[in-house]
Amino acid sequence: GAGVSQTPSNKVTEKGKYVELRCDPISGHTALYWYRQSLGQGPEFLIYFQGTGAADDSGLPNDRFFAVRPEGSVSTLKIQRTERGDSAVYLCASSLTLAGADTQYFGPGTRLTVL
Amino acid sequence: QKEVEQDPGPLSVPEGAIVSLNCTYSNSAFQYFMWYRQYSRKGPELLMYTYSSGNKEDGRFTAQVDKSSKYISLFIRDSQPSDSATYLCAMSEKGSGTYKYIFGTGTRLKVLA
Repeated sequence: GAGVSQTPSNKVTEKGKYVELRCDPISGHTALYWYRQSLGQGPEFLIYFQGTGAADDSGLPNDRFFAVRPEGSVSTLKIQRTERGDSAVYLCASSLTLAGADTQYFGPGTRLTVL
Repeated sequence: QKEVEQDPGPLSVPEGAIVSLNCTYSNSAFQYFMWYRQYSRKGPELLMYTYSSGNKEDGRFTAQVDKSSKYISLFIRDSQPSDSATYLCAMSEKGSGTYKYIFGTGTRLKVLA
């Protein structure tokens, strides 16, 4: 079946602009996660949702970052007043539930470049 | 000190070699251990998943977890050029109210034909 999809695949923006990154999880997966991967590093956790609610947003670096999942499926990561340091690949993952045996399946990522 | 340490490589091996990839960690609460493979400009792809200590084998891949030493390994037998990628270890506490994965930096592997 279809995997996790993310749009756009690439996003170039200017410093100070607002961006939205979209994630479509695997159908039926109730848990959704956002990670950020900088060059040469492993993914770093940002936030995860169980259903519509953000269960843990402890990884969001500051209040310029916000994510929503209004209907418990698609999620949008929103970044205000982008900075050059926000340039990275933003990865979305989903799992069936938050149960221990359920692993996370990742999408291809959105490569964000802030000029 | 990072919670999960992984040698970034690069690691170059000839085709057919046995590859050993490793991670160490400091958080004794980690219960779930994963290995992901990531090709250039792609998302991580799950390879192996292990709960607690022990070994798990899947085709050419074997994952080992030694919780007493806080050390995990991934072995690749009969390595192929198509195995050339970055290998990420990931760990999770799960069941303690947190479900995020903590990743290593990834090891770049190149298998030479």
